[in-house]
Amino acid sequence: GQNIDQPTEMTATEGAIVQINCTYQTSGFNGLFWYQQHAGEAPTFLSYNVLDGLEEKGRFSSFLSRSKGYSYLLLKELQMKDSASYLCAVPNKFYFGSGTKLNVKP
Amino acid sequence: DTAVSQTPKYLVTQMGNDKSIKCEQNLGHDTMYWYKQDSKKFLKIMFSYNNKELIINETVPNRFSPKSPDKAHLNLHINSLELGDSAVYFCASSQEGQNNSPLHFGNGTRLTVT
Repeated sequence: GQNIDQPTEMTATEGAIVQINCTYQTSGFNGLFWYQQHAGEAPTFLSYNVLDGLEEKGRFSSFLSRSKGYSYLLLKELQMKDSASYLCAVPNKFYFGSGTKLNVKP
Repeated sequence: DTAVSQTPKYLVTQMGNDKSIKCEQNLGHDTMYWYKQDSKKFLKIMFSYNNKELIINETVPNRFSPKSPDKAHLNLHINSLELGDSAVYFCASSQEGQNNSPLHFGNGTRLTVT
């Protein structure tokens, strides 16, 4: 089975950096996905990690440690529009964590 | 536009009724899914179909019956609706066999059972 944990909610200031963590326990591993979901909208794909290390994509980066069952999403230069829920999903994208609601304040 | 489209966007109905939600994708994907997102925003998989064959059924009551007439369509029929069925239902698609193929979601159907 799958067990995925994320913090429920975080608050950060515009322009700052925030790290959203995800820990997982899974019987199989084929990669980890991060999605963003704005209120009232569908989730959209942000990143995919299958090997250990950091994947950078503009202001967003995602890190994976397979041995620790741990990933994080790093958001730099926060903007108000980054206020959303961030969901991690493993192993074959079927199962999602409960999501972390990020509030960005001016 | 290439997309996953589902209808209707909103559905308000009374307990005991039967309703259907339709989903179509024109991305050429071979796998489609139904997810339920409750009031606590937890996104839970219900069903997955690969090339019209059911591959995942996550302990969903048998009042819920998915139907896939072809690999581009996955509809969800719900019988005898209950208050607890109120949620947002998302359809999604991806390409099986490609581990890095992300899910593409439809815009969701907000079901309210009164």
